[in-house]
Amino acid sequence: SYDLTQAPSMSVAPGQTATIPCGGDNIATKSVHWYQQRPGQAPVLVLYEDSERPSGIPERFSGSKSVNTASLTITSVEAGDEADYYCQVWLPSDEVIFGGGTKLTVL
Amino acid sequence: EVQLVQSGSEVKKPGESLRISCQGSGYNFESYWIAWVRQRPGKGLELMGLFYPDDSETLHRPPFQGQVTFAGDKSINTAFLEWHNLQVTDSGIYFCASVSGTMEYFDFWGQGTLVTVSS
Repeated sequence: SYDLTQAPSMSVAPGQTATIPCGGDNIATKSVHWYQQRPGQAPVLVLYEDSERPSGIPERFSGSKSVNTASLTITSVEAGDEADYYCQVWLPSDEVIFGGGTKLTVL
Repeated sequence: EVQLVQSGSEVKKPGESLRISCQGSGYNFESYWIAWVRQRPGKGLELMGLFYPDDSETLHRPPFQGQVTFAGDKSINTAFLEWHNLQVTDSGIYFCASVSGTMEYFDFWGQGTLVTVSS
């Protein structure tokens, strides 16, 4: 089976940059998608196909990949960015894998 | 505006049955798969399976095969998630989400339905 590994938590000061990694074997060959889940709310798609932003998502959100790591980067972090962030891939067998999520705390 | 609106919170006893709903609007509901996603308290997201409103085709992920039923009524743009023998371990928040046309991600989500199963 395929696993996506995310750090459980990270913290960043307002105005700084947060880079949230998502590790997976040869993830560079897969399409990676990212969701933001604020406390008590439903997930929201913030990036799809590695780095594409849905309508309404600020340009502060961007994505990148290396061979075994995909990353979500949030620049000029705001208090409202405090949330859990999940990466996700969809395998050819129709198996959907979510990372365990990273809780981003804005100090 | 695309919206998925789910039914309200439920409190049930073990062994009881339950059906929760997810009504879509603002898009061609019958032409896009609906996903059901479970989130246990304090945990991450798990895909339970998929439902295609146009022909009621379903895809269950193995842990949920035989445990839940996916159904729908395309005349009212609504998908359902059903249990016939709830267990305490079924407690959690259940989200419906529309699947992208490329079948790769979940582009819009319902607000979630909290299900509590307790004796």
